[in-house]
Amino acid sequence: SAVISQKPSRDICQRGTSLTIQCQVDSQVTMMFWYRQQPGQSLTLIATANQGSEATYESGFVIDKFPISRPNLTFSTLTVSNMSPEDSSIYLCSVERGAGEQYFGPGTRLTVT
Amino acid sequence: AQTVTQSQPEMSVQEAETVTLSCTYDTSESNYYLFWYKQPPSRQMILVIRQEAYKQQNATENRFSVNFQKAAKSFSLKISDSQLGDTAMYFCAFMTPYGQNFVFGPGTRLSVLP
Repeated sequence: SAVISQKPSRDICQRGTSLTIQCQVDSQVTMMFWYRQQPGQSLTLIATANQGSEATYESGFVIDKFPISRPNLTFSTLTVSNMSPEDSSIYLCSVERGAGEQYFGPGTRLTVT
Repeated sequence: AQTVTQSQPEMSVQEAETVTLSCTYDTSESNYYLFWYKQPPSRQMILVIRQEAYKQQNATENRFSVNFQKAAKSFSLKISDSQLGDTAMYFCAFMTPYGQNFVFGPGTRLSVLP
């Protein structure tokens, strides 16, 4: 398994501002993932972040809106830029630990007013 | 593109009883993984069980077992001796190797009743 922490656990932000979410893993991993879970909905993959390369974004998500950093093998950040109320969601990071298993952080609950 | 369907938005079961959650998927891949994740109200996603498509034997983890029917593209989860702590959203998920194409189903909200 993996121990994953996220900061902040929750935040309330004003429209037009940006928030950076941090994800820390207790061991080195190659692939990290960022998901969005809108209220009452399932998870949607935003992007895959590999250390040393640009993040790969899924359809409907762009780098200007969700810039991602992956400076080393245990850490990543996701920024939600120029926020609007539609960005209110839970944002989760996850890691793959081989054999197809993904482990998730506790999530960051974002409310945009 | 891969899709995952869970046809039961909500289910309930009496404590100590057995319940089965349904999941179907669509893919043209031959090698993939299937998962069941549990998300309790605390919102922490917890891996319940995992199945590799090339293994015919159904995965089992304590009270949790799956019925994997590859030809039918079906992957149901059976929870035996249900406990109050099993109350959660359950998501079926599909993934190709190396974490690509990870797709979640819409979820089934399970309530275990005392």
